[in-house]
Amino acid sequence: KAGVTQTPRYLIKTRGQQVTLSCSPISGHRSVSWYQQTPGQGLQFLFEYFSETQRNKGNFPGRFSGRQFSNSRSEMNVSTLELGDSALYLCASSLFGGDTQYFGPGTRLTVL
Amino acid sequence: GDSVTQMEGPVTLSEEAFLTINCTYTATGYPSLFWYVQYPGEGLQLLLKATKADDKGSNKGFEATYRKETTSFHLEKGSVQVSDSAVYFCALKRETSGSRLTFGEGTQLTVNP
Repeated sequence: KAGVTQTPRYLIKTRGQQVTLSCSPISGHRSVSWYQQTPGQGLQFLFEYFSETQRNKGNFPGRFSGRQFSNSRSEMNVSTLELGDSALYLCASSLFGGDTQYFGPGTRLTVL
Repeated sequence: GDSVTQMEGPVTLSEEAFLTINCTYTATGYPSLFWYVQYPGEGLQLLLKATKADDKGSNKGFEATYRKETTSFHLEKGSVQVSDSAVYFCALKRETSGSRLTFGEGTQLTVNP
């Protein structure tokens, strides 16, 4: 089985711009979660989608949003980028409520 | 709220040394517990897991036992290799929180030849 794929792998944006990141889960996995990883805050949960519906949401401002398509692929969007949004964004897929999550390689976002 | 606390790093060991990375947690109910590993430039890989008290998870020579009485899930390996150099994350998942994981801060392990 192919693993979780994330595109792009690297992004450079400037403050005020918006960005969209994409995640394709493992075939058959319908749950997709997103995490932000920074040196200061560590790994923080952003949100989880299942069957095109957001099921869980972390403590992030409304500038962070996501969606899931009927084929389970997911996108997350960050609007009005701030310097503090520079991070590695990780996507993980699993069966809904399943114990094992499989992570993609991440998208490294740099905000200048 | 839920939280996971790992021993402060970084940890530097010589090859074939014994490894312990401490992990304690705070959560309501009976969460599932995990250790993930992150190699440079990569995402996280599940190393092992335990879903109930006294369960022992094991993989690639690593072990951890779910201790409800001490709310701990310490990671151990009897003899580390240079290839074990990575960042290790302890995490928990509550049954009522879908797939949401709460992570510890991570522990950087460096193994020298």
